[in-house]
Amino acid sequence: AQSVTQLGSHVSVSEGALVLLRCNYSSSVPPYLFWYVQYPNQGLQLLLKYTSAATLVKGINGFEAEFKKSETSFHLTKPSAHMRDAAEYFCAVSVPNQAGTALIFGKGTTLSVSS
Amino acid sequence: DSGVTQTPKHLITATGQRVTLRCSPRSGDLSVYWYQQSLDQGLQFLIQYYNGEERAKGNILERFSAQQFPDLHSELNLSSLELGDSALYFCASSLDTHNEQFFGPGTRLTVL
Repeated sequence: AQSVTQLGSHVSVSEGALVLLRCNYSSSVPPYLFWYVQYPNQGLQLLLKYTSAATLVKGINGFEAEFKKSETSFHLTKPSAHMRDAAEYFCAVSVPNQAGTALIFGKGTTLSVSS
Repeated sequence: DSGVTQTPKHLITATGQRVTLRCSPRSGDLSVYWYQQSLDQGLQFLIQYYNGEERAKGNILERFSAQQFPDLHSELNLSSLELGDSALYFCASSLDTHNEQFFGPGTRLTVL
């Protein structure tokens, strides 16, 4: 069975600082990995995805993530935080098979950005 | 705007009642997923349909059921509601079973 662990339920950074949100996964087969962002009172928006191509994945809004198989990690980074990045971020894993491709989500990390 | 629509946006009902949540996937998407988001359980997968057929089941209670219609819209039926069913219910859609999922804005269910 697949699972996702997001380290740190709350991360606070200053505007312009590096953003690092941690995600570790568990999967017995090569997984697909995703990062979603949820702004208050909104649905989830896909930031980026890893599907076994390049290990460094670039997403929207300046975010990127690196798949590290040896560390079973898929951490999300952004070089310089903006106030508008304040939101909740979810890491998710799926293993596509004939039975379906449900996303298994981590518990989420709330990012706060201060001026 | 993801292109996935969900109605209603908010729903307030009483324990023991039955409600129906509706989802229209993005144009061209064949797969629909339902997720529940609550403070204590987080985001949990409930059920997936592909082109009208059930494809995968997650932590969906027996009191809950879903279906996908020929026009590909989907409905999630929740019955004998309990206080603990209060949550945000999201629908997502994807082109097929191997593509990224796009989420709707959700339906917030409050059971009093």
